Amino acid sequence: DTAVSQTPKYLVTQMGNDKSIKCEQNLGHDTMYWYKQDSKKFLKIMFSYNNKELIINETVPNRFSPKSPDKAHLNLHINSLELGDSAVYFCASSLTSGGSYEQYFGPGTRLTVT
Amino acid sequence: AQSVTQPDIHITVSEGASLELRCNYSYGATPYLFWYVQSPGQGLQLLLKYFSGDTLVQGIKGFEAEFKRSQSSFNLRKPSVHWSDAAEYFCAVGASFGNEKLTFGTGTRLTIIP
Repeated sequence: DTAVSQTPKYLVTQMGNDKSIKCEQNLGHDTMYWYKQDSKKFLKIMFSYNNKELIINETVPNRFSPKSPDKAHLNLHINSLELGDSAVYFCASSLTSGGSYEQYFGPGTRLTVT
Repeated sequence: AQSVTQPDIHITVSEGASLELRCNYSYGATPYLFWYVQSPGQGLQLLLKYFSGDTLVQGIKGFEAEFKRSQSSFNLRKPSVHWSDAAEYFCAVGASFGNEKLTFGTGTRLTIIP
């Protein structure tokens, strides 16, 4: 009964490849997020979706494309992977329609680009 | 734009000693404030949050934090640390709209010595 789950947990791939990370939440939340944590543990927002609508799109290369098929899922597709994309990617969710706004995080996906 | 400063990169305390982790924020209105903990290789777990009301908030695992508007601070405290508290601690600020991003500090790594 995991609240926010991500697959895969680890992803090792070569430069130039295309890969996807999936996220699912079973909390009934209406907003989902992608964060990137770099090697120095710094966390930065990438995208946010509210009810399947993109509401935050930080300065992220357009090689990164999020997709939200429904409120419970938010996937991240990355084209033409680069060495600098190596990081831990966290999915999070929150309830913002009359809710308490705290964000619940998934376990993370460690992406290593070689 | 909102920002968070955690001035201590690394803190070492003895087991059983008290702990205070510092957090200063910058935000133009009343912020939503959070403390998260990240154990090695894990996701982020919410320790506590402040939205409004009582400025001293209690969280899980015996942690508390105090919101001081005059000092733009939200310091985390624990009266007696346990070896299992060793982790990375992140302070975060969110806009008071609810579905906005969280802006994180750079984290404080806590080491516990016997």
